[in-house]
Amino acid sequence: GAGVSQSPSNKVTEKGKDVELRCDPISGHTALYWYRQSLGQGLEFLIYFQGNSAPDKSGLPSDRFSAERTGGSVSTLTIQRTQQEDSAVYLCASSYRDGNTIYFGEGSWLTVV
Amino acid sequence: AQSVSQHNHHVILSEAASLELGCNYSYGGTVNLFWYVQYPGQHLQLLLKYFSGDPLVKGIKGFEAEFIKSKFSFNLRKPSVQWSDTAEYFCAVNQAAGNKLTFGGGTRVLVKP
Repeated sequence: GAGVSQSPSNKVTEKGKDVELRCDPISGHTALYWYRQSLGQGLEFLIYFQGNSAPDKSGLPSDRFSAERTGGSVSTLTIQRTQQEDSAVYLCASSYRDGNTIYFGEGSWLTVV
Repeated sequence: AQSVSQHNHHVILSEAASLELGCNYSYGGTVNLFWYVQYPGQHLQLLLKYFSGDPLVKGIKGFEAEFIKSKFSFNLRKPSVQWSDTAEYFCAVNQAAGNKLTFGGGTRVLVKP
């Protein structure tokens, strides 16, 4: 597609369950980012993938969070044993390698009840 | 580590008023600077960006921003706002080599008709 595609757009899950959020970046973009936007908060960096390099995981808030990127394209963000504080919009973005304009998807709205 | 500060969390103004949103960053090296906008119910969109050259950057919808290197600032301006400018505005910075984008906390702007 023309833009960054994320799924699901909305997810309600019970506390303690695992969730997977998917991101399909713009074709040809080698860099992929995950951010989290909580209600009333700014955008919190989670993880960054660039080509085949080791990902920058410095923003992951706990070991319950993990992400992978298969074949240098689609990425999955996994949250294990979800907690209520994980409720947020999870944004994926992608760009070309040179770090120029970063394009965001519409986000996955996660609600943990 | 780089950080980005936006001075105002909330701004309320009337149509036709002038708008200026402050943004300061902490990184001392060469940077790329961005302003993103998030209209109600929509995803993040790029408003304007600065990589090099003329420090006065013009973006979409009549917005402009000025990069002042000595002040580590990249303030956003619009001479005359419209009701449709109601949105949340985010300043962001990454290192020129291309890396994770660090966002400020955002400024919610409400334009009263």
